Amino acid sequence: NAGVMQNPRHLVRRRGQEARLRCSPMKGHSHVYWYRQLPEEGLKFMVYLQKENIIDESGMPKERFSAEFPKEGPSILRIQQVVRGDSAAYFCASSYSFGGEQFFGPGTRLTVL
Amino acid sequence: DQQVKQNSPSLSVQEGRISILNCDYTNSMFDYFLWYKKYPAEGPTFLISISSIKDKNEDGRFTVFLNKSAKHLSLHIVPSQPGDSAVYFCAASAVTGANSKLTFGKGITLSVRP
Repeated sequence: NAGVMQNPRHLVRRRGQEARLRCSPMKGHSHVYWYRQLPEEGLKFMVYLQKENIIDESGMPKERFSAEFPKEGPSILRIQQVVRGDSAAYFCASSYSFGGEQFFGPGTRLTVL
Repeated sequence: DQQVKQNSPSLSVQEGRISILNCDYTNSMFDYFLWYKKYPAEGPTFLISISSIKDKNEDGRFTVFLNKSAKHLSLHIVPSQPGDSAVYFCAASAVTGANSKLTFGKGITLSVRP
């Protein structure tokens, strides 16, 4: 039973480009969370989605960031017009039910040049 | 505003001895607490958790203690092993409500010396 998959594992973008991070939850999981870890910091909540719905995006920056979890396919975290401050590790977690244990993927390390 | 605090950035212990990792929180709405272990270039892995209705939970070599009045929890690892060397994150959530998002501390780097 495959765990949470994230790709790419490493992503390099120049300032102003777009970054797309993908997350495939564990089989049977319909709850997805995105977290960001800046250097020397803990993970910070960004957004919580269920299939086709954004439940809580209170941790998302107001501009340039968006997330989706379509009926079919992976969840996508999209960052438009990246800046150097977006450089971080982005982790996705999934759970089977609300309040259930969250299983984390290996993360995508975004570097903005 | 850091709601979950791990004030010691690192801890070094001898193999076979006890490791005690501390965590404090400020949000009284938190009712579920977790510890995650993280190796470099990997995602966090769940270790152990405790509900606010308990003051202790044990799983093998790992025990978590919760002191609600002090808003403090600790993770005890005994005996410590070199494979326990990793970053340990304390996390908390308020399961009631519409979102069980986790609030993490900054982490403690544990080094277990052979």
